[in-house]
Amino acid sequence: GAGVSQSPSNKVTEKGKDVELRCDPISGHTALYWYRQSLGQGLEFLIYFQGNSAPDKSGLPSDRFSAERTGGSVSTLTIQRTQQEDSAVYLCASSRVTWGEQYFGPGTRLTVT
Amino acid sequence: RKEVEQDPGPFNVPEGATVAFNCTYSNSASQSFFWYRQDCRKEPKLLMSVYSSGNEDGRFTAQLNRASQYISLLIRDSKLSDSATYLCVASNTGNQFYFGTGTSLTVIP
Repeated sequence: GAGVSQSPSNKVTEKGKDVELRCDPISGHTALYWYRQSLGQGLEFLIYFQGNSAPDKSGLPSDRFSAERTGGSVSTLTIQRTQQEDSAVYLCASSRVTWGEQYFGPGTRLTVT
Repeated sequence: RKEVEQDPGPFNVPEGATVAFNCTYSNSASQSFFWYRQDCRKEPKLLMSVYSSGNEDGRFTAQLNRASQYISLLIRDSKLSDSATYLCVASNTGNQFYFGTGTSLTVIP
């Protein structure tokens, strides 16, 4: 079946602009995660959605970052007033259940100039 | 202290060799454990889950040692295609997954 998809695959934006990153999880997966990975670094947890529960936003680095998940499926990560330190690969993952195996999308490579 | 720690390597081994990676986790309440592999500029891909009783999948064997709080991955008969970064993951009783920074493996012809 179809895996996790993300769009765009690459995004170059100017400092100060807003960006939206999209994630389509695997159908039927109730849990959805956003991470970011800077060059040569590990994965940094950003936010977690589980069904209709309130999201766990504890990993969001600042209030410029927000995310929503509509209808328990597609999720959008929004970064307002982008900064150069926001440059990274943003990865989305979904899992059938909490604590279960996560399946990652190909990521969005964000470059802030 | 990091939740999950791995030796970054690099590990350079000849084809056919056996190589083992260890990973330690700090939270004794961690419930689920996994190994992922990540190729350069690609997303992490699930390699295997790690069960309390240990598990094997072909050339790959994963072990969990709760008393010492570490998990291990053994790769037998290394192939060139095994060259990648291997990430270990621990999940606590909440909903956060903690990824190690990865161990780099290069299999040499």
